[in-house]
Amino acid sequence: GENVEQHPSTLSVQEGDSAVIKCTYSDSASNYFPWYKQELGKRPQLIIDIRSNVGEKKDQRIAVTLNKTAKHFSLHITETQPEDSAVYFCAASNSGSARQLTFGSGTQLTVLP
Amino acid sequence: ETGVTQTPRHLVMGMTNKKSLKCEQHLGHNAMYWYKQSAKKPLELMFVYNFKEQTENNSVPSRFSPECPNSSHLFLHLHTLQPEDSALYLCASSQDGRAEAFFGQGTRLTVV
Repeated sequence: GENVEQHPSTLSVQEGDSAVIKCTYSDSASNYFPWYKQELGKRPQLIIDIRSNVGEKKDQRIAVTLNKTAKHFSLHITETQPEDSAVYFCAASNSGSARQLTFGSGTQLTVLP
Repeated sequence: ETGVTQTPRHLVMGMTNKKSLKCEQHLGHNAMYWYKQSAKKPLELMFVYNFKEQTENNSVPSRFSPECPNSSHLFLHLHTLQPEDSALYLCASSQDGRAEAFFGQGTRLTVV
């Protein structure tokens, strides 16, 4: 089955700096890669996703890149703000269905004011 | 709040107790899931229901028993749990064939 590794487990950045979280996956058939954000005491929520036919996707201060050859994908947050502090989870799916999502172990991002 | 609602938010139970977690979704989705979230570990998929039929059971111990009476409601019945079962239990739903999972806020379970 699919295995998703996520690094780092914790990340602290100064407000205004950029943050990068990286994930690798094992199943070359995976074709859908979402990122979820979970604020303290709240539910995980989808913030951005990318499909295997695209190498990069941006949404304001958030971007995701995908390298299918190396089987890794990354989340980039620019101009970080305190409200970006949360746990971020990457995931991979080989069917484009939520039923097949395999999650990474999460990254606790802290943005220091 | 609309979306996916879980009750209770917090639960403390003894190892000999029987309790149930409840999940309700108001999104018209036809697939529902139970996940276990432990500290510093990946979200673990426990059960998947599609059109009320259980389609996956990822080697979950029998002390966890799911029930899906209709496409909007999902229960997780708990009995004779162990302290290592203490975790955040998240319910999620999706429209089958769509990739985005919508999560509830979870039930924080502590087994004493």
